Amino acid sequence: QLQLQESGPGLVKPSETLSLTCTVSGGSISTSGYDWGWIRQPPGKGLEWIGTSLYSGNTYYNPALKSRVTMSVDTSKNQFSLKLSSVTAADTAVYYCARRPVGYGVDVWGQGTTVTVSS
Amino acid sequence: DIQMTQSPSTLSASVGDRVTITCRASQSISSWLAWYQQKPGKAPKLLIYKASSLESGVPSRFSGSESGTEFTLTISSLQPDDFATYYCQQYNSYSVGFTFGPGTRVDIK
Repeated sequence: QLQLQESGPGLVKPSETLSLTCTVSGGSISTSGYDWGWIRQPPGKGLEWIGTSLYSGNTYYNPALKSRVTMSVDTSKNQFSLKLSSVTAADTAVYYCARRPVGYGVDVWGQGTTVTVSS
Repeated sequence: DIQMTQSPSTLSASVGDRVTITCRASQSISSWLAWYQQKPGKAPKLLIYKASSLESGVPSRFSGSESGTEFTLTISSLQPDDFATYYCQQYNSYSVGFTFGPGTRVDIK
């Protein structure tokens, strides 16, 4: 069964870059028909889609975050990653990595990792 | 951008009640809508995709429907395990993004 696991620093200073990695196990990130994305949830608030990487290599970002987000896929390591630059306290959230079969909803979620932006 | 709204924001109900949550899109998204259930401290769980298709393993008391840009999640007979927050998400187009609704919390009456 496919599993996703987020990893990265739990504390990031304001103005710095948040970097997270999602490791895929139990399946290949190169399998066609799926996209791989990041979703976040600030404390006590709702879900926010950050962006998606397709198996084809294309990436799409939330327009509100586009200027600060970079996502990439490393097929050799079966991982995908998120970088969010110039962070502020508003970027404090639980960050989830996720798999979505094309045409479906997100069917596999990581457990989530809490990232706090604070000096 | 496609905006998603949900109503109500909070719903108080009893076990056995029929519960309906509505999600509206600001423009046409065809049937590209999913519903999720989230419990505190946990990742969301997919319930419904493509507006009305039940995800494998999800109890049949959950159902989804659509009418234009209005989508509905119905729980036919609320069970104790169903007290949670429910989110809709549109996934009509990669280029404009996959927006979530603000959520509906279902709590015990």
